[in-house]
Amino acid sequence: GQQVMQIPQYQHVQEGEDFTTYCNSSTTLSNIQWYKQRPGGHPVFLIQLVKSGEVKKQKRLTFQFGEAKKNSSLHITATQTTDVGTYFCAQATSGTYKYIFGTGTRLKVLA
Amino acid sequence: NAGVTQTPKFRVLKTGQSMTLLCAQDMNHEYMYWYRQDPGMGLRLIHYSVGEGTTAKGEVPDGYNVSRLKKQNFLLGLESAAPSQTSVYFCASSISDTQYFGPGTRLTVL
Repeated sequence: GQQVMQIPQYQHVQEGEDFTTYCNSSTTLSNIQWYKQRPGGHPVFLIQLVKSGEVKKQKRLTFQFGEAKKNSSLHITATQTTDVGTYFCAQATSGTYKYIFGTGTRLKVLA
Repeated sequence: NAGVTQTPKFRVLKTGQSMTLLCAQDMNHEYMYWYRQDPGMGLRLIHYSVGEGTTAKGEVPDGYNVSRLKKQNFLLGLESAAPSQTSVYFCASSISDTQYFGPGTRLTVL
């Protein structure tokens, strides 16, 4: 079945440093989504990527979908303490409304 | 709009007890989902529904049942709770691809 691997599992950065998390799939994806979950909170939708090679930006966050549509990345420039949380990628099983979530990358930002 | 709400927020059960978790959404969304979240495991889909009166199995459906009698409500039932069902349960709803999550229910089974 489909599997979604996310790396790294944990990342500690100094405030102001950059951060990247990667999401890799064993199959070609129709789209990929990214969510953020603050400690003690619930996942919040960030973005969806659909096209091969697509790049989208939200302020300091840059999302990229691989050319082969098997991987994706989320890059945060100049992290802030408000970026703390766990970032998940999610993919829809082809032809269904079932979503498979990655295991997440927990980001800790040290002030 | 309240968005997605979940009842209760916390619950402690003994092994073998039963309970129902309620998810309600006021956004008129067609699709609703139940996930469980365990440390290091991310979110795993238990059951989902693509509309009133319909349900389907997700990745980890065993030990759970669901019902979607009204469009705005999605119920998750545990008939005979087991310690392995200790987890945080999230409900979500969506109208297209964006999922909106509820605040979660923390369930402990002793």
